[in-house]
Amino acid sequence: DAKTTQPPSMDCAEGRAANLPCNHSTISGNEYVYWYRQIHSQGPQYIIHGLKNNETNEMASLIITEDRKSSTLILPHATLRDTAVYYCIAPPTDSWGKLQFGAGTQVVVTP
Amino acid sequence: SAVISQKPSRDICQRGTSLTIQCQVDSQVTMMFWYRQQPGQSLTLIATANQGSEATYESGFVIDKFPISRPNLTFSTLTVSNMSPEDSSIYLCSGYRRHTGELFFGEGSRLTVL
Repeated sequence: DAKTTQPPSMDCAEGRAANLPCNHSTISGNEYVYWYRQIHSQGPQYIIHGLKNNETNEMASLIITEDRKSSTLILPHATLRDTAVYYCIAPPTDSWGKLQFGAGTQVVVTP
Repeated sequence: SAVISQKPSRDICQRGTSLTIQCQVDSQVTMMFWYRQQPGQSLTLIATANQGSEATYESGFVIDKFPISRPNLTFSTLTVSNMSPEDSSIYLCSGYRRHTGELFFGEGSRLTVL
């Protein structure tokens, strides 16, 4: 996997946008960026993934820089239920779903 | 999203015994994997469950300790053999949906070894 770097923790106010950064400077041209989150005592949950274009779904938006060396996951209106560990992963092209999880970012949403 | 169910959801076991965890996925899943999450740690990939053949293990994991079966496309088992307290972890089954590139996880099986 391309090495990813995330801040260990961040706080966010309820109702505000949460912007989660991830650096992946060694990513190759065909490697996607995946985001997952794990709420306490639950299995990880897929959020979104992208290659080079910005992506949006019902959960979040993914902004990938033009040089693809970094990306930002945006939770547009954070709620208390968004408190979780968020993982940014850039697996090899031929991994077929085999992901290596790092430490992630512990996000705490406060009232 | 894909449906992945695991059982048992939790168990308490005695040292030296073995426990088999079952995982059922829906038919849209192509690849299946088993992960371990030790207390306070991130997830570590144990192996890829291959349909009808031996699993492919990651470094540090061996078949004698973690035998895995996948007799058909939608079902797999992981056995934790000859357990010790160090095996106390959450074991998670996951399924990969190739046409969407999404990896889905079950809720995990929380194992405590006394």
